[in-house]
Amino acid sequence: EPEVTQTPSHQVTQMGQEVILRCVPISNHLYFYWYRQILGQKVEFLVSFYNNEISEKSEIFDDQFSVERPDGSNFTLKIRSTKLEDSAMYFCASQTSGVLGEKLFFGSGTQLSVL
Amino acid sequence: GNSVTQMEGPVTLSEEAFLTINCTYTATGYPSLFWYVQYPGEGLQLLLKATKADDKGSNKGFEATYRKETTSFHLEKGSVQVSDSAVYFCALKGRDDKIIFGKGTRLHILP
Repeated sequence: EPEVTQTPSHQVTQMGQEVILRCVPISNHLYFYWYRQILGQKVEFLVSFYNNEISEKSEIFDDQFSVERPDGSNFTLKIRSTKLEDSAMYFCASQTSGVLGEKLFFGSGTQLSVL
Repeated sequence: GNSVTQMEGPVTLSEEAFLTINCTYTATGYPSLFWYVQYPGEGLQLLLKATKADDKGSNKGFEATYRKETTSFHLEKGSVQVSDSAVYFCALKGRDDKIIFGKGTRLHILP
């Protein structure tokens, strides 16, 4: 089965530093998502992306966050100035279309640790 | 807004025991409902889904029925195996682009 790949699997950074989390969605997919899971808490929606623009974002996704699809294959999440509370597992996901009920394919996640 | 509530874990069972993980939801309209599973060291994978009331999703011996009258989508399996040890997430998707997840239930199966 095709896979969504995420790199790195674990990222450690100092508070205030910028980080970029990388994802390669499945090649024929058109809808892309970032979710995060703080340890012990629920998986939270951050942002959805379609046709090279953000289609929906949550209140968590403030001005410190941005997403980009720079080259038609990668889908990146940038945190401009990390805070301790950004420490979480970040999941990328993709979908062929936005049809209700369609399967979302997830990557294995990037564990971000902000020190 | 939409929300999902699932039973707190961890759940510890012996092999071949019957499993139920409860999930209830709050949503406007008619959402689609999902169970995702996360095995150790891996990403989330779709386990099963149901897109309308009274639909039953099933996969790998797991089942869940979309009950609109009780707004529930409980996950069941008749005889669990050690390899079923994982974290299970109930989720819904409404008319927007978001999938809303529950907190997850960690399942431990003892040999």
